Amino acid sequence: KNEVEQSPQNLTAQEGEFITINCSYSVGISALHWLQQHPGGGIVSLFMLSSGKKKHGRLIATINIQEKHSSLHITASHPRDSAVYICAVLGGNQFYFGTGTSLTVIP
Amino acid sequence: DGGITQSPKYLFRKEGQNVTLSCEQNLNHDAMYWYRQDPGQGLRLIYYSQIVNDFQKGDIAEGYSVSREKKESFPLTVTSAQKNPTAFYLCASSKGAGTGAFNEQFFGPGTRLTVL
Repeated sequence: KNEVEQSPQNLTAQEGEFITINCSYSVGISALHWLQQHPGGGIVSLFMLSSGKKKHGRLIATINIQEKHSSLHITASHPRDSAVYICAVLGGNQFYFGTGTSLTVIP
Repeated sequence: DGGITQSPKYLFRKEGQNVTLSCEQNLNHDAMYWYRQDPGQGLRLIYYSQIVNDFQKGDIAEGYSVSREKKESFPLTVTSAQKNPTAFYLCASSKGAGTGAFNEQFFGPGTRLTVL
């Protein structure tokens, strides 16, 4: 069973496009974490949110607790945004991780 | 610079050997975690520690052992009992302990272990 589902699995975009990555979850949560994993493997925390919306630069994360859904948006995408984006939800005393969305931004 | 370091980046071992992966953090975080990542799967929790000298098993602890003798360090030993140890291992840390332990996580660069 997958407590966290991400879509799409793979995404290719042209530089400058607006990108949306979706995350749906089936467990009750206290927070949701968006992570970025670069080809070398290292993971960077982008956002942690429990309601509403957060913005950092060209990245925007939203969450709808009632619908158990979150989206990560990238405005004016750039080739350096190419990475795997991972959604993780904090339910009870553990994180549940999605399998990631692989994004490639073409110049 | 504050952060988490893992060493080595690549590690090869022969079947039947134990191997220890290092994880050090200078963020003054109380909680530390070890995850395993396999292709096509989400991260899976091996062990976590909320405070020095205490740690708990995660979802896939069999074949692994840890210690937490210092706040800064949380080494993971992959023992010969681990049936399929080839994977990418990630260490993470977060502020807080107790019910607040699983808050925003900061990850190390990872160690890729290959068993020959």
